[in-house]
Amino acid sequence: DVKVTQSSRYLVKRTGEKVFLECVQDMDHENMFWYRQDPGLGLRLIYFSYDVKMKEKGDIPEGYSVSREKKERFSLILESASTNQTSMYLCASRHQSSYEQYFGPGTRLTVT
Amino acid sequence: KNEVEQSPQNLTAQEGEFITINCSYSVGISALHWLQQHPGGGIVSLFMLSSGKKKHGRLIATINIQEKHSSLHITASHPRDSAVYICAVLGGGSNYKLTFGKGTLLTVNP
Repeated sequence: DVKVTQSSRYLVKRTGEKVFLECVQDMDHENMFWYRQDPGLGLRLIYFSYDVKMKEKGDIPEGYSVSREKKERFSLILESASTNQTSMYLCASRHQSSYEQYFGPGTRLTVT
Repeated sequence: KNEVEQSPQNLTAQEGEFITINCSYSVGISALHWLQQHPGGGIVSLFMLSSGKKKHGRLIATINIQEKHSSLHITASHPRDSAVYICAVLGGGSNYKLTFGKGTLLTVNP
């Protein structure tokens, strides 16, 4: 079974802090994704990476950056957290020859 | 306007009922995902389909490419089926980006 894990289920940070969200997959997938999920807005793509050190902006990249130094790990960075970044963050991965994405359990981030 | 529309937004059923959730999309697609999310939980992939019909246990997914429409059916519904069901399409010129519907909240009462 594909396993996608995220470093924390719940996280509380203060405004202005630098926040790191980590995602690890164990199936040698080339593609990895970061989404945020908000009530009434659904899932929106922040960034994705199609291979190591490769990244592309999604629909809402402002205020975020990413890092993919190893194939299995994709990090989402909030350089200076703000209250409007309070959300559920979901990571996903897929093999580049397959359409199906596998999701992690999510990190519920609260910025106070 | 979201390119992926789901209906209904909310659905309440009695245990044992047959359930249908619909998804319509406006762009050409490579594939369509049906996803399930339990309250407070992560997202689980139920089906990925490009044509025809797929069945897994009590769940059936169909897609009509010409009509740009997909349905998710649950037979003999059970309270543990209570969850948000999300339709997502891969297409619109991208092989990476999923476009998501807003989800259908299903509640199955015992």
